[in-house]
Amino acid sequence: DTGVSQNPRHKITKRGQNVTFRCDPISEHNRLYWYRQTLGQGPEFLTYFQNEAQLEKSRLLSDRFSAERPKGSFSTLEIQRTEQGDSAMYLCASSLALNEQYFGPGTRLTVT
Amino acid sequence: GNSVTQMEGPVTLSEEAFLTINCTYTATGYPSLFWYVQYPGEGLQLLLKATKADDKGSNKGFEATYRKETTSFHLEKGSVQVSDSAVYFCAPGGTGMRQLTFGSGTQLTVLP
Repeated sequence: DTGVSQNPRHKITKRGQNVTFRCDPISEHNRLYWYRQTLGQGPEFLTYFQNEAQLEKSRLLSDRFSAERPKGSFSTLEIQRTEQGDSAMYLCASSLALNEQYFGPGTRLTVT
Repeated sequence: GNSVTQMEGPVTLSEEAFLTINCTYTATGYPSLFWYVQYPGEGLQLLLKATKADDKGSNKGFEATYRKETTSFHLEKGSVQVSDSAVYFCAPGGTGMRQLTFGSGTQLTVLP
């Protein structure tokens, strides 16, 4: 069990560019979650998958955001036409069925 | 949806002092309750959990009891250490554990 991994750990991009983040969950975990955390705040839920199906999306997930989990393994989160307000830490978590969630180290996005 | 009210920080204590961080929540039904901890420069780690009323979660000397009648899940530790300095998050789980709702976090600093 190597834990949840996320890549890249840091991303600096210019406003208007597209970015993509990857999350590799703990093997055998069928649920995968994305959260966003801004400085001084707790994480906010964005979306979650059960296996390959995206079952819920937050209102925070505008149409510039898209997430996928092909084959029910790793997941990607893409942000199109980035804005400065997208600067945040993007966290991925995974869980086995209804059990507790385990978090990765996060990807810090800075939009300049 | 769920909501969490967490004791505001920052909290500064001397080593071996008693710690209480208050957490109250509103939720549909009876969610599982969690405390997560975020050490400087690291990701979120599960500290403890409780899944039903009157359950007591415990780990590393920390304890919290699921109080259904007061919808609270206060975190306590009898004797804090410098290494406990971190940000602590209270989080009820959603129905079917679809998502966690985090409080704003409480920054704890323990001085030697």
